[in-house]
Amino acid sequence: AQTVTQSQPEMSVQEAETVTLSCTYDTSENNYYLFWYKQPPSRQMILVIRQEAYKQQNATENRFSVNFQKAAKSFSLKISDSQLGDTAMYFCAFMNLRDDKIIFGKGTRLHILP
Amino acid sequence: EAEVAQSPRYKITEKSQAVAFWCDPISGHATLYWYRQILGQGPELLVQFQDESVVDDSQLPKDRFSAERLKGVDSTLKIQPAELGDSAMYLCASSPKQTGLGYEQYFGPGTRLTVT
Repeated sequence: AQTVTQSQPEMSVQEAETVTLSCTYDTSENNYYLFWYKQPPSRQMILVIRQEAYKQQNATENRFSVNFQKAAKSFSLKISDSQLGDTAMYFCAFMNLRDDKIIFGKGTRLHILP
Repeated sequence: EAEVAQSPRYKITEKSQAVAFWCDPISGHATLYWYRQILGQGPELLVQFQDESVVDDSQLPKDRFSAERLKGVDSTLKIQPAELGDSAMYLCASSPKQTGLGYEQYFGPGTRLTVT
């Protein structure tokens, strides 16, 4: 069975700083996607970034980038130049391509301080 | 931009009562998911539909929960009877891809259920 572990329940950083959220996963699958989702307070969950396991190049989306280490089964999210609007719960998620089922980690609550 | 719609947004009910949640996925999305999210935790899959068929309901407590997607479009999740432990956020998500191809899910705003 697949598992997703986020070891940082809560983090706080100053606005404009860079922050890295950790995620490790366990799977015997070879074809899968990894995601980071953001859930702002009282708002709906949105996709931040996606990584296909077959791609060696790390995904980037503007200020968001990942460090994907397939052998180590690690998938961290880096947020550069953090903004107040980045305050949210961040969930790491794993999707195997056999059935599109997603497994979520328990989340990291990120506070961006002014 | 198209969004997943859910209603109601909030629901308070007494234990042993019946409650139902509705979800309208993004048009054209064949796959629909219902999740339960307990406060401070990640979502847990309850049921997954591909068109009108259930693909996975292994985590759905079938003695009290039921879900349907009769015409392969919108979906209803029902709890009868509700228990105190059912208090949670119920999220609906949809995905445009067929099973096996893999694609991100688009989430609705959720229904926050409080059972008293």
